[in-house]
Amino acid sequence: QFVLTQPPSASGTPGQRVTISCSGSTSNVGRKAVNWYQQLPGTAPKLLIYSNNERPSGVPDRFSGSKSGTSASLAISGLQSEDEADYYCATWDDNLSGPVFGGGTKLTVL
Amino acid sequence: QLQLQESGPGLVKPSETLSLICTVSGVSISSGSYCWGWIRQPPGKGLEWIGYINYSGNTYYNPSLKSRLTIFVDASKNQFSLKLTSVTAADTAVYYCARHVVYGSPTYWGQGTLVSVSS
Repeated sequence: QFVLTQPPSASGTPGQRVTISCSGSTSNVGRKAVNWYQQLPGTAPKLLIYSNNERPSGVPDRFSGSKSGTSASLAISGLQSEDEADYYCATWDDNLSGPVFGGGTKLTVL
Repeated sequence: QLQLQESGPGLVKPSETLSLICTVSGVSISSGSYCWGWIRQPPGKGLEWIGYINYSGNTYYNPSLKSRLTIFVDASKNQFSLKLTSVTAADTAVYYCARHVVYGSPTYWGQGTLVSVSS
């Protein structure tokens, strides 16, 4: 259903490092920059990472992004309880001529 | 500081037209090489790109919605709008307006507005 594939869930304990994957194809992730968003319940998505690995001002350096080929990843180190949220990847798709999203990953801090 | 704010009815009847406005503040909607678009999120589900209008006034729509969708700009009011015709319950969602660069995904989002389709 979603052009980009993310695991539906991820979890970790406080202080741990977790990664969330985002798999696409040569028409999207393979060619264009990936953004990551954090969405807390009842709020709009917040830009967490842009251009694969850049952090907007105010985003802690615990959050980092990477991309290789047609896959991208979001890493969260030093996991905190307030990191519990839904995380989405997004990029441009040349076939669709528009942005595409992953299905989202629900992160639980145990 | 760029801000986007959605407005419109929270309830629309089946078969009628859903109309939303996004008011942009902090920057002219006519400046720069940006795309102004709409994204929606059904309750409990993921994000779906609806469509956008770019700096040249060209529109690009999600093929699944194209036959029912119109997006247009009112530069005099620094606003852009969405009209979705013949709505059904499947169109119930939080609708977000957003800005992105060409060949990019959104970097600025509105706070979103819930639109329910029900009689």
